[in-house]
Amino acid sequence: QVQLQESGPGLVKPSETLSLICTVSGYSITNGHFWGWIRQPPGKGLECIGTVYHSGNTHYSPSLKSRLTISVDTSKNQFSLKLRSVTAADTALYYCARFEGYSSSWNGDGYFDSWGQGSLVTVSS
Amino acid sequence: QSVLTQPPSVSAAPGQKVTISCSGSSSNIGNNYVSWYQQLPGKAPKLLIYDDNNRPSGIPDRFSGSKSGTSATLGITGLQTGDEADYYCGTWDSGLSDVVFGGGTKLTVL
Repeated sequence: QVQLQESGPGLVKPSETLSLICTVSGYSITNGHFWGWIRQPPGKGLECIGTVYHSGNTHYSPSLKSRLTISVDTSKNQFSLKLRSVTAADTALYYCARFEGYSSSWNGDGYFDSWGQGSLVTVSS
Repeated sequence: QSVLTQPPSVSAAPGQKVTISCSGSSSNIGNNYVSWYQQLPGKAPKLLIYDDNNRPSGIPDRFSGSKSGTSATLGITGLQTGDEADYYCGTWDSGLSDVVFGGGTKLTVL
């Protein structure tokens, strides 16, 4: 059974880069799924940040695209998130999740079927 | 403001049935599959329904999904206190080129 675990600093200063890693266990990241990041500001709803395929193909949310890098390390069965120039508005619970789509080419049609427990990241000086 | 509109809250008594609506447009719900997620207090979201009306293994048949036009609905029968949670709908929006979620609905089992 697939398990996902987020890791990274819980506190990031404004204007710096937020970095998180998601370690996948019980399932090979190269088995043909997209892998994604979703965030949830305190007391608010879900926002999809972006996804990555094991080949490195990515899809980024248009609202975050200019600050975002999502990459994959198949040798470690991990994928990562880097969000640059953060502000207080980026304070959120960050979840990694497996995306079950219908093609190896991203078309957005699918769903997140397994989630990590979440990692709280606070942006503050 | 979420692209998909859900009621902020719904409530019902134990054993009763409740429905949660998710309203969108032709660029999202109208032409793409809808999924539903349950988020228990302090927990990560969990997939409840995928492809409009399919349940993953392990999800009881008390949970059901349906779709008509640009709206989707989650139904829960035989309500239990353990069903108290936030529920989110999600889908792809072709116009925005983004995965979008509803604002969430808090279910209270009175």
